[in-house]
Amino acid sequence: AQSVTQLGSHVSVSEGALVLLRCNYSSSVPPYLFWYVQYPNQGLQLLLKYTSAATLVKGINGFEAEFKKSETSFHLTKPSAHMSDAAEYFCAVSDQGGAQKLVFGQGTRLTINP
Amino acid sequence: NAGVMQNPRHLVRRRGQEARLRCSPMKGHSHVYWYRQLPEEGLKFMVYLQKENIIDESGMPKERFSAEFPKEGPSILRIQQVVRGDSAAYFCASSLTGTRTEAFFGQGTRLTVV
Repeated sequence: AQSVTQLGSHVSVSEGALVLLRCNYSSSVPPYLFWYVQYPNQGLQLLLKYTSAATLVKGINGFEAEFKKSETSFHLTKPSAHMSDAAEYFCAVSDQGGAQKLVFGQGTRLTINP
Repeated sequence: NAGVMQNPRHLVRRRGQEARLRCSPMKGHSHVYWYRQLPEEGLKFMVYLQKENIIDESGMPKERFSAEFPKEGPSILRIQQVVRGDSAAYFCASSLTGTRTEAFFGQGTRLTVV
């Protein structure tokens, strides 16, 4: 069975600081990994996805994530936080590469301090 | 091209009533997925449907919940005899094909059972 653990349900950073959101996964097959962002009262928007190509994946809004098989991690980073980045972020894993049966982590709420 | 449309956005039901949640996928998408987000938790997969077929309902509660995606019209998630524990946000996603394609999420229906 697949699972995702997001370390830290709340992360707070200053505007302009590095954003690091942690995600560790468990999968018995080569995983497909995703990061989604959810703004208040909105649906989920795909930030980026790993599908066994390059291990460093670049997404929208300046975010990127690195797949590290040895650490079973897929942490999300952004060099410089903007106020507009305040949202909830979900890491998800799938064994089928698409929308089927995504297994989500519990989410990390990112707060940006001015 | 409109995104995934869910309605209603908010739904209040008394215990014992029925709740019907609708999802119109993106134009051209024939694969629909329903997820439930309980308070302070990540999304959990419920069911995957194609037109007129249930492909995977392994995440659906065994009783009171049903889903359909008819040949014409939106996908419907139906909850009979709602209980307080059904209060959650229900998200629908659609994709062009069943694998290796991005899932686009709707804004969700927030169900409150009073």
